[in-house]
Order: sequence, then structure tokens, then C-alpha cells
Amino acid sequence: DTAVSQTPKYLVTQMGNDKSIKCEQNLGHDTMYWYKQDSKKFLKIMFSYNNKELIINETVPNRFSPKSPDKAHLNLHINSLELGDSAVYFCASSQDRDGELFFGEGSRLTVL
Amino acid sequence: QKEVEQDPGPLSVPEGAIVSLNCTYSNSAFQYFMWYRQYSRKGPELLMYTYSSGNKEDGRFTAQVDKSSKYISLFIRDSQPSDSATYLCAMTSAGGFKTIFGAGTRLFVKA
Repeated sequence: DTAVSQTPKYLVTQMGNDKSIKCEQNLGHDTMYWYKQDSKKFLKIMFSYNNKELIINETVPNRFSPKSPDKAHLNLHINSLELGDSAVYFCASSQDRDGELFFGEGSRLTVL
Repeated sequence: QKEVEQDPGPLSVPEGAIVSLNCTYSNSAFQYFMWYRQYSRKGPELLMYTYSSGNKEDGRFTAQVDKSSKYISLFIRDSQPSDSATYLCAMTSAGGFKTIFGAGTRLFVKA
């Protein structure tokens, strides 16, 4: 049974389109995150949520809208996609705010 | 200057070698230090978690933290081809909610 699951695993789309990525965790954690990993494998935090509330927004363009309908879900919607948005987006969760992160398998976004 | 610096490699070693991976950091507020391993096309998984200066050992892996020098290391003994992966150092401050990662070092262990 997958602990942190993301859908879809792959997205290929044109510039200017809008896309969404969904994330669900069944670990009972209170904190969830979105990370972006670029082509050089650099993993950068985008958002942190705790009990459905936004805690951290790392100067991400407002084309990116996270939404947490409940503690187990954190979705990411991206408007007006740009070439530079091409990356792997990882969802993660943690029991504690400074504890181990449990990552999903990633959603690979390619913007053409 | 990035908060966490890590040499991206790649690092290629023969099977059985001792591997040393390192990171330096600039933010003295970091208190919790981690090493994650990431296989190709997978999410990172935690290998080691430490919160104080000194050494922590788990099987073939030893994590070392030197807060005075702002330097952390991961040693892998008797390296195996299955250890071939990207190793990311990570750290967070006491406030939490924001784990910062190094660039990751790609390791290849040749049989």
C-alpha cells in the first residue's frame, strides 16, 4: 500500500496550458510539502502545509496554486505553463515539522 | 551563496571501496541533519537522521556532523553496486517545515 501517491506520473503539455497534480498520503501525517527537482537533480522546496494551512511559500510564482482539502491531500495547480516549469514535482509528508520526509515517486512535467 | 553546498560528482568507485560524501552549510540555525538516497526515477528515501555533533552508525553507513565547522559527512563502507544512486544531504532548523537539500552527489559503484 503506497504511503505517498501522486498522479499523474507523467505530463506532457504545451506552453500556456494549465495542469494539476494530485497527492495523497495514508500515513496520518499532519504536514505535507511540494518540492521541485530540476534537471540537475536540485531539490527545492515550494510549499509546506500543516493541518491544511499554508506555512511556507518559497517565493513561488502565483501561477502555482496549492490546495489542501484535508490533511491527507495536497494538490498543485499550475496556470499558464512556461518552459522553465519542466521538472519533476515531488509531494512529501512528515509526522513532525522537522522530521523525516516521506516522498512520492514524483510527477514528471514536460512543457513544450 | 547557497545555504547548503554539495559536490554533484559524479563519483565512481570500485565495489568494496569506502565512500565519503560531504556537505557544508552556512546557516547556523540548522539543527537537524539528514542523508537521503534517491534511485533513478524514484523519490528520495531517508538513510540517516542526526541532531547533534558527532557520529551515528547504521550498518555500513556512518553519518558525521561537525557543527563548529558547519560540515556533515556520510561514509559508506564496503560499497556495493546497489549503492549506486544520488545521495542528498538535507537539513532543517528548529522551526521546521522547511528542509533544505544539497545538490546531491551521483555515486556509481562498479562491480
